[in-house]
Amino acid sequence: GIQVEQSPPDLILQEGANSTLRCNFSDSVNNLQWFHQNPWGQLINLFYIPSGTKQNGRLSATTVATERYSLLYISSSQTTDSGVYFCAVKNDKIIFGKGTRLHILP
Amino acid sequence: DAGVTQSPTHLIKTRGQHVTLRCSPISGHKSVSWYQQVLGQGPQFIFQYYEKEERGRGNFPDRFSARQFPNYSSELNVNALLLGDSALYLCASSQGARTGELFFGEGSRLTVL
Repeated sequence: GIQVEQSPPDLILQEGANSTLRCNFSDSVNNLQWFHQNPWGQLINLFYIPSGTKQNGRLSATTVATERYSLLYISSSQTTDSGVYFCAVKNDKIIFGKGTRLHILP
Repeated sequence: DAGVTQSPTHLIKTRGQHVTLRCSPISGHKSVSWYQQVLGQGPQFIFQYYEKEERGRGNFPDRFSARQFPNYSSELNVNALLLGDSALYLCASSQGARTGELFFGEGSRLTVL
C-alpha cells in the first residue's frame, strides 16, 4: 500500500521563527490534507490541497503531486502553533503520516 | 451548522466486553470513515462507508465492524475487547467517497482495563 513519510519527526523552534514540514508519499493520490492535532486530540483542518499552493494567514502549503510531496510552511511561529501536524492522503484508503511534533518556545 | 459529532466522548470497559461508538456526519455528507489513534502515533484507518456501503477497510481484525444508516450516521462496534484496543477513536465525514475534504469529530476515548 501507499507509504506516507513526514519529516522532521520533531522540531523545536523559538517563537517568531519560520518552519517547513514535509510529507512524502509513494503513489498517486486523490486527496491530501494537513491537520493540526490539539492537546485534546481534535484534528483541526489546515489545508485540503491535492495539488497547487494555498495560503491562510501565517500558514501556507504546496503540493507537487507529480513529485509526490507536500510542504507546510509556518511563518512567525507562535506558542499556540505547538502540537502535532499530520498529513493524510487518499487513494483506495486514507493513510496518515506519523506526524511532526512541533514545540515553539517563548 | 453542526460539525461531526461522536458519542460517547469517554468510556471505560473491561477485557472481553463489547463497545459501540456512534458518529453523526456533517449535514449533506454521505461518507463516514473511522480511525484508531493510539498514544504517540498517527490515526490508523479502520473503515470507510459511503451511501451505506463499505468502501474501504484497514488492517484490523474481524472483531471490528461498522455500519452506516439511511441518515448517514454510523456505528463502530468492537467485540471481545483487548487491552490494546485502548485508544482514541476518530470519525470523519466527507461529501464524496473518493475525493472531498475530511472533517473530524472530537473522538471517543476508550480505555480497556
